[in-house]
Amino acid sequence: DVKVTQSSRYLVKRTGEKVFLECVQDMDHENMFWYRQDPGLGLRLIYFSYDVKMKEKGDIPEGYSVSREKKERFSLILESASTNQTSMYLCASRSAGSTYNEQFFGPGTRLTVL
Amino acid sequence: GENVEQHPSTLSVQEGDSAVIKCTYSDSASNYFPWYKQELGKGPQLIIDIRSNVGEKKDQRIAVTLNKTAKHFSLHITETQPEDSAVYFCAAGTGGFKTIFGAGTRLFVKA
Repeated sequence: DVKVTQSSRYLVKRTGEKVFLECVQDMDHENMFWYRQDPGLGLRLIYFSYDVKMKEKGDIPEGYSVSREKKERFSLILESASTNQTSMYLCASRSAGSTYNEQFFGPGTRLTVL
Repeated sequence: GENVEQHPSTLSVQEGDSAVIKCTYSDSASNYFPWYKQELGKGPQLIIDIRSNVGEKKDQRIAVTLNKTAKHFSLHITETQPEDSAVYFCAAGTGGFKTIFGAGTRLFVKA
């Protein structure tokens, strides 16, 4: 059974803290994605990585950075957390065989910034 | 920028009835339209997709239709069951890395 796991289901941090969200996939997928999910806004792409050490900005990259040192792991970093980054964060992965391939999502991390 | 509008935001149906969710996209270059289902506490999961060279696709109780001229696409669920209760997202892509998602529809199926 294919799997995308995220390090935490719930996370509470304070304003100004550095926050790391980790995502691991066991499908040997080349492409990985970070989205945030907010009510009424759907899923919005923050960053994606098409291969190890490669990263590209999505639609809302401000305030975030990412790291992809190994194929299976994609990290999202909030350098200095702010209250407007309180959200559900979803990681996804996809095979590079075809860009029409299904994205597989993790269960999400609900981050609260106080 | 590119946009996908999804309606309704909430839909309540009686078990056994049909449910229809509609989406409109803005980018005429879009050629891939997946639908995802998100159950409580889980990430979205692909349930069906359609490409722009096809007008309709069916998989058991689920069907999607696409009208490229009007830039509309819809999800139809027939004979709804309580386990169909979830949030459904439509999305549109151009075959690249960016997929634009709709805001979601929360479907309630009453037993």
